[in-house]
Amino acid sequence: AQKVTQAQTEISVVEKEDVTLDCVYETRDTTYYLFWYKQPPSGELVFLIRRNSFDEQNEISGRYSWNFQKSTSSFNFTITASQVVDSAVYFCALTNDYKLSFGAGTTVTVRA
Amino acid sequence: DGGITQSPKYLFRKEGQNVTLSCEQNLNHDAMYWYRQDPGQGLRLIYYSQIVNDFQKGDIAEGYSVSREKKESFPLTVTSAQKNPTAFYLCASNRLVDRGAFRNQPQHFGDGTRLSIL
Repeated sequence: AQKVTQAQTEISVVEKEDVTLDCVYETRDTTYYLFWYKQPPSGELVFLIRRNSFDEQNEISGRYSWNFQKSTSSFNFTITASQVVDSAVYFCALTNDYKLSFGAGTTVTVRA
Repeated sequence: DGGITQSPKYLFRKEGQNVTLSCEQNLNHDAMYWYRQDPGQGLRLIYYSQIVNDFQKGDIAEGYSVSREKKESFPLTVTSAQKNPTAFYLCASNRLVDRGAFRNQPQHFGDGTRLSIL
């Protein structure tokens, strides 16, 4: 069985603040893939990043960065210098085959 | 532009009625999926299909049915047996690099259909 936990239900910040979203996962598999998706108010899910279980290198893409720590089964996501357009629900997901297991999501609200 | 089109955007169901949600993709993806999203919860898998004329149940298939007669289309029918159908439904697709190796391909999502009970 696999499980993804996003303990933070909602986070509210003021523009330009940094925000870190936590993601903790459980799986018995040695090979798996982790994803982050963004769901803006319009509803569609937008793919942000994929990471495989053998690649623990952290990644930065513009204002987004991801910290993958296999030892603690965590795959955290940081938005630096947040903007109003970052307001959305963010989902962490895990798969080892066809099935994506999603966390419950974290709602991020960035206030001007 | 390539993408996934879901229709309608909003749908209302009467008691005892079956309704069908449409999902079409022009990405030439092999695998397609249906998810249900309830407030405060993550997405849950209803059905998925890896190839034409074949599909598998996900975690919450009861009260739903699907078909995959064409590669680009994967309609979902919400039957009257589904007693709590009010939710946001999302369709997704991804490439099948080779059989059993599509897990690492990101799923692309449509804009969703919001289903409510009249």
